[in-house]
Order: sequence, then C-alpha cells, then structure tokens
Amino acid sequence: AQSVTQLDSQVPVFEEAPVELRCNYSSSVSVYLFWYVQYPNQGLQLLLKYLSGSTLVKGINGFEAEFNKSQTSFHLRKPSVHISDTAEYFCAVTSLRGSNYKLTFGKGTLLTVNP
Amino acid sequence: NAGVTQTPKFRVLKTGQSMTLLCAQDMNHEYMYWYRQDPGMGLRLIHYSVGEGTTAKGEVPDGYNVSRLKKQNFLLGLESAAPSQTSVYFCASTKSGINEQYFGPGTRLTVT
Repeated sequence: AQSVTQLDSQVPVFEEAPVELRCNYSSSVSVYLFWYVQYPNQGLQLLLKYLSGSTLVKGINGFEAEFNKSQTSFHLRKPSVHISDTAEYFCAVTSLRGSNYKLTFGKGTLLTVNP
Repeated sequence: NAGVTQTPKFRVLKTGQSMTLLCAQDMNHEYMYWYRQDPGMGLRLIHYSVGEGTTAKGEVPDGYNVSRLKKQNFLLGLESAAPSQTSVYFCASTKSGINEQYFGPGTRLTVT
C-alpha cells in the first residue's frame, strides 16, 4: 500500500517570497512522484514529475521539487511566488509494480499568495 | 484535440434518483480513472479501467458502477443517489504510469 502526507493544509505567503510545500510518501516499492496544481473551478494539471535520475526536478511556472529517498519526501519549491500561483497543490504517488498506475493523492495544500 | 471532456458540468439530484456521468478522451489512452474530490480529502479513486471492456474498483467504489464499452469513453453511474455522494467528480486518462494523467474539468454533483 502507498500513502501521501501533505504536511500543511494551507500556506499563506506574500508575493515575491519563496515557498516550500511539503510532501512525504510511504511505499514498500519504488515509486513515481508527481505534483499537480488545481486552479479555482478547474481540473488538475501536472506541474512536474519524478521518475528516475536526477533528484532535482524542474517543472512549469518556475516550480521545482527534490526527491529525497532517505527522507521519503518530495517537497515542492519556488523561489519567488506570484499572485497567479494561488491554487491548490496536490502531491501524488504511484508504485512501479502492480498498481495499474493508480495515483494516490495527498489531501492538498492551498497556497494563497497575498499582495 | 479536446483532451478529456466530462458531461454534464453540473447536476442536482434528489435522493434515490439515478444518473450517468460521461467521460470522453480523444488521446487514445488505455487507462481511465474516476475520482471524487471532497474538501480536505484530496482526490479519491472510485473506479478505473486499464483498457476497453475492463473495469476495477478503486478506494471508494460503493454506490457507483462503471462501464468502458469503447476505448474513448468511461461512464460512471449512480443507481440510487445519496447525499453522501455530493461531490466534484473528475475523470482522468493516461497512456501509462510514466506519463501524466490528464484530467477533465469536473462535474459538480449535488444530491438533496
């Protein structure tokens, strides 16, 4: 079984400040990891994914995430946020074996960027 | 390329009524999924399909049924709606696990 914990349900920040959204996962086998973003009243879209290789993954809109196997974490970061980054962010995991590529999602982190 | 579309966008049902949500994708994806999203709960998998003619249960399948008669369509049925099924429903599809899942815009369902 696999699970995802997003440690913060809400993160308020000021515009141009850095932000880190935390994600920890649990799985008995190797995993793929994803971050999705959901803007108000929309579906989810992919920000970035980790499959293998370099542990630092760059995504769209200036976001990046670092895979840390020993800490079982995949935290999302952006050095300077914009008002338009206000959205809900979901971390998700799928295991490499026997899962039929089912994603397990965290409960989400609402990022609010204030002027 | 429309991607993943969902019909309808909104629906209000009375307890005990039935309805079918339609998901369609034009990307020739094998895998399709139905999720529900509730505040503070993230997305939870209801049912999924790994190919035409196949379906399987996800994390929260009770009260729902699905069918995948054509590769491009994945239907979610509620036979007897309950207020606990008030939620936003998302469909997604993917070619394989190393690719992203593409999500539809969602269906907001209210059961009174």
